[in-house]
Amino acid sequence: GESVGLHLPTLSVQEGDNSIINCAYSNSASDYFIWYKQESGKGPQFIIDIRSNMDKRQGQRVTVLLNKTVKHLSLQIAATQPGDSAVYFCAEIYYGGSQGNLIFGKGTKLSVKP
Amino acid sequence: DTGVSQNPRHKITKRGQNVTFRCDPISEHNRLYWYRQTLGQGPEFLTYFQNEAQLEKSRLLSDRFSAERPKGSFSTLEIQRTEQGDSAMYLCASSSDMIEAFFGQGTRLTVV
Repeated sequence: GESVGLHLPTLSVQEGDNSIINCAYSNSASDYFIWYKQESGKGPQFIIDIRSNMDKRQGQRVTVLLNKTVKHLSLQIAATQPGDSAVYFCAEIYYGGSQGNLIFGKGTKLSVKP
Repeated sequence: DTGVSQNPRHKITKRGQNVTFRCDPISEHNRLYWYRQTLGQGPEFLTYFQNEAQLEKSRLLSDRFSAERPKGSFSTLEIQRTEQGDSAMYLCASSSDMIEAFFGQGTRLTVV
């Protein structure tokens, strides 16, 4: 069935290093892929999205890469800061038959060591 | 504050009781979503409105769950005859473009 999952449940990095968070997806027909950040006690917060016909998109300190051949999505965070500590979810949207549901994976917890 | 607002923030109820949660979306957003999230998991889709029309319901939404958005603005999610398995964070999100969804802080339900 359709699902979005993550390779690593936890990731620990040193402040100032770059972080890479990975995600595998199974629905090759998804139209958009999105990364959300969720801090403790808060709802998810949109970070960046990428359309399915793109392979790279850059934002402020973040880059999302999409490899449709292997159904893989990654989020790269440059110069990771303590404020980046959170759980990161990838999500996908498929417009085909479901009116555009936003389907989430299980999340990766990023811990930034000072 | 123009963000998504959810009330109450916390709810403790006895098994078998009914509960109702409210979500006030960002005012110009026509799309409204309800999700359920348990510890360590990603949000699970429950249902989705476009304006006042409920366009999709997840299989997770049993007949004990009902959601409404009567005037296309705020929405309510009711759970009847609550069970311990209903304990979770219930998240509401709104969106204008189906891509960037803005989430509220959620209602944490504990069924004892």
